[in-house]
Amino acid sequence: NAGVTQTPKFRVLKTGQSMTLLCAQDMNHEYMYWYRQDPGMGLRLIHYSVGEGTTAKGEVPDGYNVSRLKKQNFLLGLESAAPSQTSVYFCASSYSRTSGRARFADTQYFGPGTRLTVL
Amino acid sequence: DAKTTQPTSMDCAEGRAANLPCNHSTISGNEYVYWYRQIHSQGPQYIIHGLKNNETNEMASLIITEDRKSSTLILPHATLRDTAVYYCIVRVSTNAGKSTFGDGTTLTVKP
Repeated sequence: NAGVTQTPKFRVLKTGQSMTLLCAQDMNHEYMYWYRQDPGMGLRLIHYSVGEGTTAKGEVPDGYNVSRLKKQNFLLGLESAAPSQTSVYFCASSYSRTSGRARFADTQYFGPGTRLTVL
Repeated sequence: DAKTTQPTSMDCAEGRAANLPCNHSTISGNEYVYWYRQIHSQGPQYIIHGLKNNETNEMASLIITEDRKSSTLILPHATLRDTAVYYCIVRVSTNAGKSTFGDGTTLTVKP
């Protein structure tokens, strides 16, 4: 049971280049999330997904796209990287439980992070 | 979601209890209090959460005031490995999109 894994661990891009970050979880979680963390600051939610084939915007979605084609994978794409996107990117997943008509996002489990530098 | 206020930093002596406060005066009735910590630059780690009752697990205790406007995370016997940034988050569990972390409290456990 690997939990949440992220690929790659480190990456350096030039301005304007594109790349995709891969997040994978083996816990059969419904919910998955992408966060960014700038130096000395807390995590900010970029995009999230409440199930396979669905995605939604978080707090800071501009400049990023995501896809959730398989339940276990959540991809974060940068189409044209900018220096402002230099950050550490964390993926997370969480259980989903239902009570009546309500769905609850439970405890989040985080990956080890991807350090991205855009020159 | 309710905003939270935490002290920027705290120190604690090794072996003593670490008490980390969090204010969430605008919390609503269906919002939970979650605590996570982040050691060095690793991914955050879940510690504990609660709605209105005090909670305890193998890692920590969570004390929520009766009016739910503040809470305290207690690490009963802090070790050097507990040095980390501790995040207090208040959110409605049904809203996965409201999962933003604040700046947290940097706890330094000293020998």
